[in-house]
Amino acid sequence: ETGVTQSPTHLIKTRGQQVTLRCSSQSGHNTVSWYQQALGQGPQFIFQYYREEENGRGNFPPRFSGLQFPNYSSELNVNALELDDSALYLCASSSDRGSEKLFFGSGTQLSVL
Amino acid sequence: ILNVEQSPQSLHVQEGDSTNFTCSFPSSNFYALHWYRWETAKSPEALFVMTLNGDEKKKGRISATLNTKEGYSYLYIKGSQPEDSATYLCAFAVPGRRALTFGSGTRLQVQP
Repeated sequence: ETGVTQSPTHLIKTRGQQVTLRCSSQSGHNTVSWYQQALGQGPQFIFQYYREEENGRGNFPPRFSGLQFPNYSSELNVNALELDDSALYLCASSSDRGSEKLFFGSGTQLSVL
Repeated sequence: ILNVEQSPQSLHVQEGDSTNFTCSFPSSNFYALHWYRWETAKSPEALFVMTLNGDEKKKGRISATLNTKEGYSYLYIKGSQPEDSATYLCAFAVPGRRALTFGSGTRLQVQP
C-alpha cells in the first residue's frame, strides 16, 4: 500500500508567478483534500476533490484552483502568487468524502519572494 | 466561524511523565473530532477519530476522551517517551462540510 506523496518538497517563486503542486493519493482512496499551513497556525482547508469534482472549498480566492485525475491524483494551482502564499501545502487523501481519518503527505514548502 | 483552541501551545516534560492536552471546539453542530500526531520532517498521522459523546479511544500509551456537550476533548500520554515528541493537532468536523477545522496544535518535547 503506497502512501500519499507530494512533489516538489520545496519551491521558491517570485510574486506574480504561478505554481503547480502535485499529490498522489494513497491507493484505494478517491478523495483528496488540500490544506495550507502558515507559520504558527493549524492547517487551513483549501478545497476537496472527490471523483474528479470539487467537493467543498474553504475561504481561498479563485486564484487557488485544483484538479483531480482519473487515478485520483491531484494538482493544486496558484496563480498570481502573493507573499502571503508562502506556507506549507499539505495534501491528504481519504476513502470517503466525510470524516474518515485523513492520510497526509509530507507537504510542499512554498516560499514566495 | 468555527474556532478550535488547543492548550497548552507547548509543553516540555521529562521522560516517564504523564501529560495531557486540551482541545476546545464549538459544542453545537458536532460531527467528529480528530487527533493527529505530527513529528518533525514527517507527515501528520491520524491517532483517533471520535464521533460520540463520551467516546474514549486508546492506542498504546495514548488515549483520548470526548465531551461533545461541553465542547472539549482531552489527549493523554502515559509515561512519555522521547519518541512522543511531536506536535499534536486536533481537528473538528461539522455535518455536511468537507473541511476539517484544525487547532494550532500542542508542541510536546520529552526530555530523556
